[in-house]
Amino acid sequence: SQQGEEDPQALSIQEGENATMNCSYKTSINNLQWYRQNSGRGLVHLILIRSNEREKHSGRLRVTLDTSKKSSSLLITASRAADTASYFCATDAGGGADGLTFGKGTHLIIQP
Amino acid sequence: DAMVIQNPRYQVTQFGKPVTLSCSQTLNHNVMYWYQQKSSQAPKLLFHYYDKDFNNEADTPDNFQSRRPNTSFCFLDIRSPGLGDAAMYLCATRRIDNEQFFGPGTRLTVL
Repeated sequence: SQQGEEDPQALSIQEGENATMNCSYKTSINNLQWYRQNSGRGLVHLILIRSNEREKHSGRLRVTLDTSKKSSSLLITASRAADTASYFCATDAGGGADGLTFGKGTHLIIQP
Repeated sequence: DAMVIQNPRYQVTQFGKPVTLSCSQTLNHNVMYWYQQKSSQAPKLLFHYYDKDFNNEADTPDNFQSRRPNTSFCFLDIRSPGLGDAAMYLCATRRIDNEQFFGPGTRLTVL
């Protein structure tokens, strides 16, 4: 079963605006990761935040993690048309080699 | 400099005809995963190998099998594909407790 739930499911904004996507999960985690997927392509790893971290930055990306609320957010600042893609959060329970549990994703459209 | 390679990128098979998807990696990671992603859905873990140890997810159908002859290669065998098995199949690798590296995926069509 899918643990992560992203909202919104779809988001359309103008180029240059900021985009915020949220993710909630149900069980304890070792870390939470965000991935991007362009249509029909594989997944590209964006950022990993560990359970003892609250915020992390990478370029135009900012991720927050609130383990008390079991939620995370991904902020993309100054969006570009090339940011159009689906974004998935994925949780790692930390069982060593266990796979990731993905949320349903947010489809982001950046209008030029 | 592809690190996780999947072949073929597109595979068409007939209903009930066995098919094998291939994944190779140049990262020397000890864990390899297969995920199934149906249209407009999230990826779903099918199974993984930790070195030679095979770990099947509880709800993975018996129709799906996997082989890992060496560190670099991992295969997904679908013994009797049904229409419901049409999906993107994603291979991934990782070192323990780090991010996963995904291949470009193989899109499987079942006629």
